[in-house]
Amino acid sequence: AQSVTQLGSHVSVSEGALVLLRCNYSSSVPPYLFWYVQYPNQGLQLLLKYTTGATLVKGINGFEAEFKKSETSFHLTKPSAHMSDAAEYFCAVSDGRTGNQFYFGTGTSLTVIP
Amino acid sequence: KAGVTQTPRYLIKTRGQQVTLSCSPISGHRSVSWYQQTPGQGLQFLFEYFSETQRNKGNFPGRFSGRQFSNSRSEMNVSTLELGDSALYLCASTGGTGVGEQYFGPGTRLTVT
Repeated sequence: AQSVTQLGSHVSVSEGALVLLRCNYSSSVPPYLFWYVQYPNQGLQLLLKYTTGATLVKGINGFEAEFKKSETSFHLTKPSAHMSDAAEYFCAVSDGRTGNQFYFGTGTSLTVIP
Repeated sequence: KAGVTQTPRYLIKTRGQQVTLSCSPISGHRSVSWYQQTPGQGLQFLFEYFSETQRNKGNFPGRFSGRQFSNSRSEMNVSTLELGDSALYLCASTGGTGVGEQYFGPGTRLTVT
């Protein structure tokens, strides 16, 4: 079975500071990993994904994530936070065998302090 | 390309009624997945349809059902509505045949009174 744990339901950072959102996954097979962002009253937008290959994945809006198999982690980072980054962030995992059944974490709400 | 569209965007229903939500995927996408999002449970997978066949199913009661048409548009139906069914229902479409990026619609906000 697949599962995702996002540590910290709320994270606050100052504008210009490093953003670090944590995601740990559980998967019995090599996982497919995703980060999505959700703005109020909107659907989810894909930030980045890991399937195979390079473990450091770059996404949109300056975000990146590193797949660490030994730590079963896929943490999301951005060197410098912008006010527009304030949103809800979701980590998701799929085992790749059951079609597009994604398991989402409970989300992390990011606040950016001016 | 047009994105995923969901109709209606907002819906208010009474307990015991039934409701049908619609999702039009991105052109060319054959996979449509449905999720329920609530503050308490987060995002939970309902089911996935691929080429008019249910490919995956989450852990929801039989009151929740869906279907997909030959043009890949999908509907989900909830019968005998309960207060706990109040949620944002999101649909996502994916291209290709395997696991891929899911493109989400804006959702339908269902309120059950």
